[in-house]
Amino acid sequence: DTAVSQTPKYLVTQMGNDKSIKCEQNLGHDTMYWYKQDSKKFLKIMFSYNNKELIINETVPNRFSPKSPDKAHLNLHINSLELGDSAVYFCASSGSRSYSPLHFGNGTRLTVT
Amino acid sequence: RKEVEQDPGPFNVPEGATVAFNCTYSNSASQSFFWYRQDCRKEPKLLMSVYSSGNEDGRFTAQLNRASQYISLLIRDSKLSDSATYLCVVNMWSSGAGSYQLTFGKGTKLSVIP
Repeated sequence: DTAVSQTPKYLVTQMGNDKSIKCEQNLGHDTMYWYKQDSKKFLKIMFSYNNKELIINETVPNRFSPKSPDKAHLNLHINSLELGDSAVYFCASSGSRSYSPLHFGNGTRLTVT
Repeated sequence: RKEVEQDPGPFNVPEGATVAFNCTYSNSASQSFFWYRQDCRKEPKLLMSVYSSGNEDGRFTAQLNRASQYISLLIRDSKLSDSATYLCVVNMWSSGAGSYQLTFGKGTKLSVIP
């Protein structure tokens, strides 16, 4: 059973397009996240979503927007894609306690041409 | 001082060697610490949590030094399969977010050589 699953695994698109990445977790976790890993392999948090409370990393452009239809899903919508958006995007989930570790999906490799 | 800073690496070690990674963090109020492992083109996976008294899991030992604000990971008897990037993760207060967030170091790459 896949604990955190995200689709698609690969996404190639042109500048200016709008795309979405889907994420689902079956761990019963309260909090879900989106992380971006750039070409230098640095993992940086973009959003966390807990009990309908969205916490946004202030450096994330507003072209990125998370959408959570329910506790088990957190999708990522990206408008007007730019070359610099090319990266691997990881969805993750965790329990609500501060010492709860993250469980990651297998990543979506986004290439903007 | 960077929020979470790790040895730059890469570490190239022969099979059977013992290798240690260090990680320093900037926020003295941090409460949770982890080591993750990331294989090439894969997602990060939890290797072990780090507890105040130190903890061991097979060949892996994690230590926490709150006074000096660093954590360490020791790998004994290195195997080829240990080759990966090791990520230090600290739960830190984010003033921008107004909450604690898990913050990742940039990782240390380990290559175990036959």
